[in-house]
Amino acid sequence: KNEVEQSPQNLTAQEGEFITINCSYSVGISALHWLQQHPGGGIVSLFMLSSGKKKHGRLIATINIQEKHSSLHITASHPRDSAVYICAAGGLIQGAQKLVFGQGTRLTINP
Amino acid sequence: DAGVTQSPTHLIKTRGQQVTLRCSPISGHKSVSWYQQVLGQGPQFIFQYYEKEERGRGNFPDRFSARQFPNYSSELNVNALLLGDSALYLCASSLDISYEQYFGPGTRLTVT
Repeated sequence: KNEVEQSPQNLTAQEGEFITINCSYSVGISALHWLQQHPGGGIVSLFMLSSGKKKHGRLIATINIQEKHSSLHITASHPRDSAVYICAAGGLIQGAQKLVFGQGTRLTINP
Repeated sequence: DAGVTQSPTHLIKTRGQQVTLRCSPISGHKSVSWYQQVLGQGPQFIFQYYEKEERGRGNFPDRFSARQFPNYSSELNVNALLLGDSALYLCASSLDISYEQYFGPGTRLTVT
C-alpha cells in the first residue's frame, strides 16, 4: 500500500461541474501539499496546509489531521483546469523536508 | 521575479555516460530539493540541500550525487546512466527547510 493514496486516478467531467479529488496518507506529516502538473511537466504549488481549510479563487483544499485525509475541490470547473493534480505529504524527517507524493489524479474538463 | 529555473530543458544521453543537471532557486531561497518523476508516476524525493549541506537523501543509489553552491544554486549529477534513469528531474526551492516548495519546469532526461 502506498503511503499517499489519491482517488480517483482519472476523472472526466463537464464544464461547470463541482470537482472533488481525495487524498489519504499513512505517514506522519507537518504539511499536506496540493500540486498541479500540466502536460510537459511543469508543477505549480496550489496549497500547503497543515490544518483546516484554504481557498484560492475556485480552488478549496481541506484537511482532517485525525483522519489523515485531504480533499481538493474545484468549483465551476473549466477546461483550463484539465491537468494532473498531485497531493504530497510533507514531513520533517531527520532534518530534511521530504515530500511523499501520491500517484496523481488526471482531470479532464470537457466544454 | 524569476521562478525556479532549470537547465537544460531536454537531454539525451547513452547508457554509461554521466550527466549534470542544474537548478537556480528563487532569489532568497536557501533550500533546494531534487525529485525524479518517471513517466506515469508521482515524483520521488532524491535530495534536499540547505545552506550548502545535504539535509536529506531518498532511496537512490550512490550514482546520484548533488551539491549546492554559495549562491544556493544546485547541481544534480548522475553517473553510469541506466535506461531506468530516463525521467523528468524536478528541482524545487524554498525559503527554509519547512517552507512551501516552488518547483522548476524540470529537465527531461532520456537515456538510450
